[in-house]
Order: sequence, then C-alpha cells, then structure tokens
Amino acid sequence: AQSVTQLDSQVPVFEEAPVELRCNYSSSVSVYLFWYVQYPNQGLQLLLKYLSGSTLVKGINGFEAEFNKSQTSFHLRKPSVHISDTAEYFCAVTGFQKLVFGTGTRLLVSP
Amino acid sequence: DTGVSQDPRHKITKRGQNVTFRCDPISEHNRLYWYRQTLGQGPEFLTYFQNEAQLEKSRLLSDRFSAERPKGSFSTLEIQRTEQGDSAMYLCASSPGLAGQPYEQYFGPGTRLTVT
Repeated sequence: AQSVTQLDSQVPVFEEAPVELRCNYSSSVSVYLFWYVQYPNQGLQLLLKYLSGSTLVKGINGFEAEFNKSQTSFHLRKPSVHISDTAEYFCAVTGFQKLVFGTGTRLLVSP
Repeated sequence: DTGVSQDPRHKITKRGQNVTFRCDPISEHNRLYWYRQTLGQGPEFLTYFQNEAQLEKSRLLSDRFSAERPKGSFSTLEIQRTEQGDSAMYLCASSPGLAGQPYEQYFGPGTRLTVT
C-alpha cells in the first residue's frame, strides 16, 4: 500500500521569501513521486516529478524538490515566492497506475 | 495542443436523480483515470481504463457508480440515484500508459457536482 502525508495544511509566507512544503511518503513498491498545483476551481497542473536518477528535480515556475529515500521525503521548495504562487499544492505517489495524493498544503503568499 | 476536457464543468442536481459526466483525454493517451475530490481533501482514485478495459475500481465506487470507455477514447462516469454525499469535484486524467512505465497524469478542469 502507498500513502502520502503532507504535514502542513496551510503555509503563510510573505512575497519574495523562501518556502518549503513538506511531504512524506510510504510505499512497499517502487516509488515515483509528483507535486501538483491546483488553483481555485481548476484541475491539477504538474509542477515536477521524480521517476529515477538525480534526487534533486527542478520543475516549472522556479520550484524544485529533493527525493530523500532514507527519510522517505519529497519536500517542495522555492527560493522566492510570488503572489501568484498562492494555491493548493498536492504531493502524490504512484507505482505504475493510480496516484495516491496527500491532503494538500495551501500556500498563502501575502505582500 | 489539446488537453483533457470535461463536460459539464458544473452540475446541480436533486437528490435521487441520475447524472452523467464526460471526459475526453489527450488523443494519443491510452490510460484514463477518474478521481473524486471533496472540499479540503486531495483527489481520491475511483477507477482507471487501459484503452477500453476497466482495470481497477476503488471501493469508493459503489454500485450506483458506473464508468465506461467504449471505444478507448472518451469516457463517461454515471452516478445513479445521487445522494448529497456525492457532492464533489470529479476529475479526469489521462496518461500514455505503456505497461510497466510510470507516467505523469494530465488532468482536466473537473466537473463540480452539487446534489441538493
């Protein structure tokens, strides 16, 4: 079985500050990890993915994440956030078929 | 580049009525997934198709729910005798889906169902 825990339901941050959104996973099979972003009343957009290779992955909009197998984590980071980054962020794990999502972290960026 | 589309975007229905949603995946994708997302939660897997074959169904998919993908292209999700607890966003996603290969899933905008 696979599961994802997103430790923070909400993260408030000021514009241009760095941010880290935490994600821990559990899986008994091969692990493939994703971060998606969801803006209000919209579907999910892929930010980045880890399938294999380098444990530091870079995605769109300046986001990056690091896969840490020993800590079973896949935390998302951005060195300087913008107001437009305000959204819900979901971490997800898969074997080869369905995605298993965490409960999400709402990032609130204020001026 | 045409993404995943879903129709309708919003549906309000009365309890006990039947509803049907449609999903059109990215044309070359042979895997299609349905998820349900309730307020404040992450999406939860309902079912998925490899071409026209329905390969997995979640326990969330009660007997009132049925999904089809008759020609391996678009898919429909029907809910019979809707209940207030069915109110949610229904998301469709597609992926290339070669066996044994992980792929990211591309999501549509969702259909928001409100049961009154």
